[in-house]
Amino acid sequence: DIQMTQSPSSLSASVGDRVTITCQASQDISNYLNWFQQKPGKAPKLLIYGASNLQTGVPSRFSGSGSGTYFTFAISSLQPEDIATYYCQQYRNLPLTFGGGTKVEI
Amino acid sequence: QVQLQQSGPGLVKPSQTLSLTCAISGDSVSSNSAAWNWIRQSPSRGLEWLGRTYYRSKWYHDYAVSVKSRITINPDTSKNQFSLHLNSVTPEDTAVYYCTRDQGGVDPWGQGTLVTVSS
Repeated sequence: DIQMTQSPSSLSASVGDRVTITCQASQDISNYLNWFQQKPGKAPKLLIYGASNLQTGVPSRFSGSGSGTYFTFAISSLQPEDIATYYCQQYRNLPLTFGGGTKVEI
Repeated sequence: QVQLQQSGPGLVKPSQTLSLTCAISGDSVSSNSAAWNWIRQSPSRGLEWLGRTYYRSKWYHDYAVSVKSRITINPDTSKNQFSLHLNSVTPEDTAVYYCTRDQGGVDPWGQGTLVTVSS
């Protein structure tokens, strides 16, 4: 199985700050990577697919980059509604596997 | 807009079978471009993919090794839905279960069902 390692596991930032999360795959996954946002009691919501493509309706302050084994996710200007846990997920191979999550707090 | 609506019991006894259904609106379970997944989430295991079904001129199924001996995912074309059956459950199967559509991007997700395995 492909292991997905996210860091940090949690972070605290201020409104307006730029926030960056990294995700490392245990082997080359090209750009087969998704990023999700999950709020308490809710299902994960797809934000980024194909490593860098913004899902329809998602604010442009969210972005993703990277390929191969190293990926980054950024929020350019943190908003109060962005408080959530963020996950990366690879779809290069089965089983689909997820990172451990990054909890973003203000 | 595609929506997934889950149904099924929230409490299952040990050794019995966990059964959930996911009703699809706005797409077809027989779509040639989508796969239909079950994923679960627990504090101990995080987000764990369980398996999928999809149609490409015939039906295919893929399952996670960890549950392969106990799981069945079935499409129901007459009702445009798919189901999860996980037998011989133990308390370790306690989790929130989600159904999802997968076209590369995993979206949308069902609302989630907390299933507790307890006597």
